[in-house]
Amino acid sequence: DAGVTQSPTHLIKTRGQHVTLRCSPISGHKSVSWYQQVLGQGPQFIFQYYEKEERGRGNFPDRFSARQFPNYSSELNVNALLLGDSALYLCASQGLRGSTDTQYFGPGTRLTVL
Amino acid sequence: QKEVEQDPGPLSVPEGAIVSLNCTYSNSAFQYFMWYRQYSRKGPELLMYTYSSGNKEDGRFTAQVDKSSKYISLFIRDSQPSDSATYLCATSTIYNQGGKLIFGQGTELSVKP
Repeated sequence: DAGVTQSPTHLIKTRGQHVTLRCSPISGHKSVSWYQQVLGQGPQFIFQYYEKEERGRGNFPDRFSARQFPNYSSELNVNALLLGDSALYLCASQGLRGSTDTQYFGPGTRLTVL
Repeated sequence: QKEVEQDPGPLSVPEGAIVSLNCTYSNSAFQYFMWYRQYSRKGPELLMYTYSSGNKEDGRFTAQVDKSSKYISLFIRDSQPSDSATYLCATSTIYNQGGKLIFGQGTELSVKP
């Protein structure tokens, strides 16, 4: 089975631009979470979506938004990019069907803002 | 104060050594505790998870949680060069309902042949 997939792998943008990152969860998983990992730090929670509804939001500005589609894939959008948005953006999917469910992470999208 | 504190290292050990990785946390509401391994330029991979206090063993890995002191540990026995990675501890208040994970900073481990 394919794991969590993310696209693109790498992205270079300039300040002020907008970016869209994409994630496809593991087949059968209905929950997708997004995390930002700055170099040398642990991942920080941005959003969680379950059944196309936002279930949680971290401490990020309104420039960050996300949505989940009927096939449970998800997009993370960031507007008005700042240099500090440069990071690895991770997507995690979760089945939410039992106590053994866990969050499985994708390889991430590395965003560089110049 | 961060909710989860983890020494970033780097930690360098010889092959075959026992490795001890540790985190402390501040929120007594945390119920679930996880260890992830992250290789360079890859996403985190779940190694171990435990609920509440106690020990859990899986092969060369043992996870330990002491809720009374808010201290979590991961022990790696007979460490191998392939164990060289960044180890992230993570906690959450709700597990199977998609609660957000709170991560430590990560400890960079290098196992020398």
